[in-house]
Amino acid sequence: RKEVEQDPGPFNVPEGATVAFNCTYSNSASQSFFWYRQDCRKEPKLLMSVYSSGNEDGRFTAQLNRASQYISLLIRDSKLSDSATYLCVVKSLGGYQKVTFGTGTKLQVIP
Amino acid sequence: EAQVTQNPRYLITVTGKKLTVTCSQNMNHEYMSWYRQDPGLGLRQIYYSMNVEVTDKGDVPEGYKVSRKEKRNFPLILESPSPNQTSLYFCASSSGQGLYGDRGYTFGSGTRLTVV
Repeated sequence: RKEVEQDPGPFNVPEGATVAFNCTYSNSASQSFFWYRQDCRKEPKLLMSVYSSGNEDGRFTAQLNRASQYISLLIRDSKLSDSATYLCVVKSLGGYQKVTFGTGTKLQVIP
Repeated sequence: EAQVTQNPRYLITVTGKKLTVTCSQNMNHEYMSWYRQDPGLGLRQIYYSMNVEVTDKGDVPEGYKVSRKEKRNFPLILESPSPNQTSLYFCASSSGQGLYGDRGYTFGSGTRLTVV
């Protein structure tokens, strides 16, 4: 089983739609969770951290479910500019703070 | 402007010809790391460094070397490149160890390497 798993998509959604992605992780000792956004052939950029209590940033909401070991990202009122690949990132404590990236979920927002 | 600068952006080379990809950050970050990204495999860590003269292997270190003689620079060295090292490479930095609080990693723009 992969340490971090994401549905690769693509998710094709119309403008204005709400879309949600999930990401599961296997290491129950994982400490910190993040969502990154990556545009085609460009570097990943931090979208938001994921807190136990959940957090919201504008149209984006991130949730963490430790019991089921998954995190989610909800995008409301999708814009064309939201089209990108969304990477789930999990940090675990180890000899150093191990960081594992998911393979990403591709979102295409269509007019 | 706070940034991580990688060079070159694109490189085509031949098998066995030593090459270096440079990475420099201007944020005084302690932690730096190299990743390669391949279709279907995501980002995989090659090497990381927690500070000057402190480096360690990531998940896929074979065929690569790194050095950290100065805080700002973290070059990736391929002593004898092979076609299976054809990939998109990213350098990243952060303060503290690994992802830290909300700041996370800052990535360079990437280096697309082709080994023929």
